[in-house]
This record gives sequence, C-alpha cells and structure tokens, in this order.
Amino acid sequence: RKEVEQDPGPFNVPEGATVAFNCTYSNSASQSFFWYRQDCRKEPKLLMSVYSSGNEDGRFTAQLNRASQYISLLIRDSKLSDSATYLCVGYTSGGYQKVTFGIGTKLQVIP
Amino acid sequence: SAVISQKPSRDICQRGTSLTIQCQVDSQVTMMFWYRQQPGQSLTLIATANQGSEATYESGFVIDKFPISRPNLTFSTLTVSNMSPEDSSIYLCSVEGGESSGSYEQYFGPGTRLTVT
Repeated sequence: RKEVEQDPGPFNVPEGATVAFNCTYSNSASQSFFWYRQDCRKEPKLLMSVYSSGNEDGRFTAQLNRASQYISLLIRDSKLSDSATYLCVGYTSGGYQKVTFGIGTKLQVIP
Repeated sequence: SAVISQKPSRDICQRGTSLTIQCQVDSQVTMMFWYRQQPGQSLTLIATANQGSEATYESGFVIDKFPISRPNLTFSTLTVSNMSPEDSSIYLCSVEGGESSGSYEQYFGPGTRLTVT
C-alpha cells in the first residue's frame, strides 16, 4: 500500500462548482500534511498546510482526520484557473525526516 | 519563501553521457533536496544534500549514479551519470521553508526536464 494515496482523477467540474479531494495516508506517525498545486510542466507550489485543526484560505478548505487517516481539500466556487494537479503530501519527523508525495489529483474546471 | 533557480531548464542528452544540474537558492539553508518526477508519476526523493557532509540517498538511488555536491549553504549540484532513456524525467531541487520557524513546507525550483535518447 502506498504511504499517501490519491485518486488521480481527472475530476472534470463546471465553473462555479464545489469539488472535494481526499487523500489517505498509512503512516500514523506522519505529523504534518500539505496540499500542493502543480500546473502542467511547472514545479509544485505550496497551496495550504494542514495541521490538526485544519484550515481555510478563501475558497479552499483543508481538513485532517487523524482517526481515519485522511486529508481533504475542498474548493468552492471553482474557477477555470483552479485547473491543475493537486498533490497531497505527508511529513514525518523524529530522527529521520521523510516527505511523501501522493500521485496527485487532476482537476479540470470547464466553462 | 525561498527563491530557487535551476540550470539547465531542459536538455536532451545521448545515452551513456552525464548531465550536471545546478540549484541555487537565494538564502542559506541547511538541507537541500533532489527529487525526480517521471511522466505521470509523483515526486520521488532521490537524496538530501547536507552542507559539509555526504548526501543521504533514498532507497533505490546510489551515489555512483547520482553524485551530489553541496559546496556551500546556497548551492548544490546533482549529476545524472551514464544516462539511459529510463532517466528521462523532471529533476527538481527543493528546500524547506522557514527553517527558523520549524515549518516543513517545501519550495521547489522550476525543474530540469531531461530527455535521454
């Protein structure tokens, strides 16, 4: 089983829709989680950090459920510019730091 | 956040040759990371480059194939040696943001797109 698993999609949603991605992780020692956005042929860029209480940034909300070992990303009022691949990332520290990337979920917002 | 540049941005190389990729950061950082992203795949960590010590390689990656230099706190190189078409990939360097604050998010360079023929 992969340490960080995502549905690769693609998710095709109309402009203005709300879309949610889930990401599951297998390493219960993972401490921090992040969502990155990667545009085609570009490097990943940090979208949001996800800590125990979750967080919200404008149209984006990230939640962490440690009991079920999953992270979610909710995008409200989707824009065409939200089209990208969203990478779920888990961070484990404590002697040996390890960052694990999911394969990414591709989102295509259509007019 | 750190500003990271990489050179070259892309290259097409013949099998059997080697390519050295440079990564420059605009601030001093303790650790720099080298990743590979093959087509349709996620990022895979190759190694962690520490200034003043040998790089730490992940399982499946060896120093003979991917030698790394880290001469100072703002610069690192990754060499892809004796290339084969399977090495065709995007190679990215990254640093952890906010070392002083203990945050673990990573910032990436623009990547080097390597094609081996």
